[in-house]
Amino acid sequence: GAVVSQHPSWVICKSGTSVKIECRSLDFQATTMFWYRQFPKQSLMLMATSNEGSKATYEQGVEKDKFLINHASLTLSTLTVTSAHPEDSSFYICSAIGPNYEQYFGPGTRLTVT
Amino acid sequence: QKEVEQNSGPLSVPEGAIASLNCTYSDRGSQSFFWYRQYSGKSPELIMSIYSNGDKEDGRFTAQLNKASQYVSLLIRDSQPSDSATYLCAVRSSGNTGKLIFGQGTTLQVKP
Repeated sequence: GAVVSQHPSWVICKSGTSVKIECRSLDFQATTMFWYRQFPKQSLMLMATSNEGSKATYEQGVEKDKFLINHASLTLSTLTVTSAHPEDSSFYICSAIGPNYEQYFGPGTRLTVT
Repeated sequence: QKEVEQNSGPLSVPEGAIASLNCTYSDRGSQSFFWYRQYSGKSPELIMSIYSNGDKEDGRFTAQLNKASQYVSLLIRDSQPSDSATYLCAVRSSGNTGKLIFGQGTTLQVKP
């Protein structure tokens, strides 16, 4: 139980375009999901908290107009990276709070912006 | 600033030995503590959670919590090369958001 999926697992896009990443809780409902970013050999950085039916809460320094988060259902949250730049290239990982109030991570999406 | 501190390592142990990973945290109000394992290029995987003082065992893993000392540790018995990974200590923020505060992670190397 408590499986979280992400799609796509990797994506390459051109600078200036937008990319959408989906995060799904497969066998449970998640009112709260989280989006993280991780650069090589660095720790996880929390970007935002996604709450079903309400606006996301962004961490300090994260541009909400650049990283659009939509949590429209109890099993799906999406992160859209708008006007992507090469410096947005990173490993994006979502997580969801499962039935035991433990946090489970999706497999991650590797974004490369050329 | 609520912090979680870990020694980045690498911690190197021979196969079959006990690996001891340590973590300290600054927020005395924290109630929930987690250990995640992250292989290179993969996302974190939850391996242990602990909420009460004392020890909690699950297979080869034992988590230890001492709230008075604000200290949580993970012991891995009979370490295997497949245990080589980065181990992340995480503490749930004492607010109501459910956010986890992560340490920088300790890299464990188990040598055959």
